Amino acid sequence: EDQVTQSPEALRLQEGESSSLNCSYTVSGLRGLFWYRQDPGKGPEFLFTLYSAGEEKEKERLKATLTKKESFLHITAPKPEDSATYLCAVQGETSGSRLTFGEGTQLTVNP
Amino acid sequence: EAEVAQSPRYKITEKSQAVAFWCDPISGHATLYWYRQILGQGPELLVQFQDESVVDDSQLPKDRFSAERLKGVDSTLKIQPAELGDSAMYLCASSLVLGARSNEQFFGPGTRLTVL
Repeated sequence: EDQVTQSPEALRLQEGESSSLNCSYTVSGLRGLFWYRQDPGKGPEFLFTLYSAGEEKEKERLKATLTKKESFLHITAPKPEDSATYLCAVQGETSGSRLTFGEGTQLTVNP
Repeated sequence: EAEVAQSPRYKITEKSQAVAFWCDPISGHATLYWYRQILGQGPELLVQFQDESVVDDSQLPKDRFSAERLKGVDSTLKIQPAELGDSAMYLCASSLVLGARSNEQFFGPGTRLTVL
């Protein structure tokens, strides 16, 4: 059974204070690891897909990295508009197209 | 920009009543998913369609939940009868089929269900 654990559950940062969110996973053959952003009362918004260990992807102030056991979402010089819940999900070789999500990290960036 | 459409956005019902949710995926996306998200948790897959066929409904409570995608485009998820524990956000997502490589799922805005 695929499993995803995200930490911390909640994170408060000052504007400009860089940090990282962690996503630890166990999966039988990783087909893809996905990062989503979710604002309150809305559906998840796709950010990145990572396929293999060592892969990195960047978008504005966000950078996602992947190892064989975990993924990090690095946030550089965050702004208040980066406040949201960040969800990590995995897709395993034995789970078809099913995404298994973690419970998310709720990020708050104070001005 | 193409988006997944869902309606209604909010639904309040009493327990034992029937409710239905509608989803229109991004045009050309053959795969459609229904997820349930309880507050403070990540989404959990209920059912997956490939065109009009169900390919995964292992987590769907079939005694009360049903889903259909008759023409392989839009889809309806129904709950009858609704129970208090069904209160959650119901999310629809869609994706292209890109061979063996995994592909991104794009989510709609969701339907927030409250059962009283």
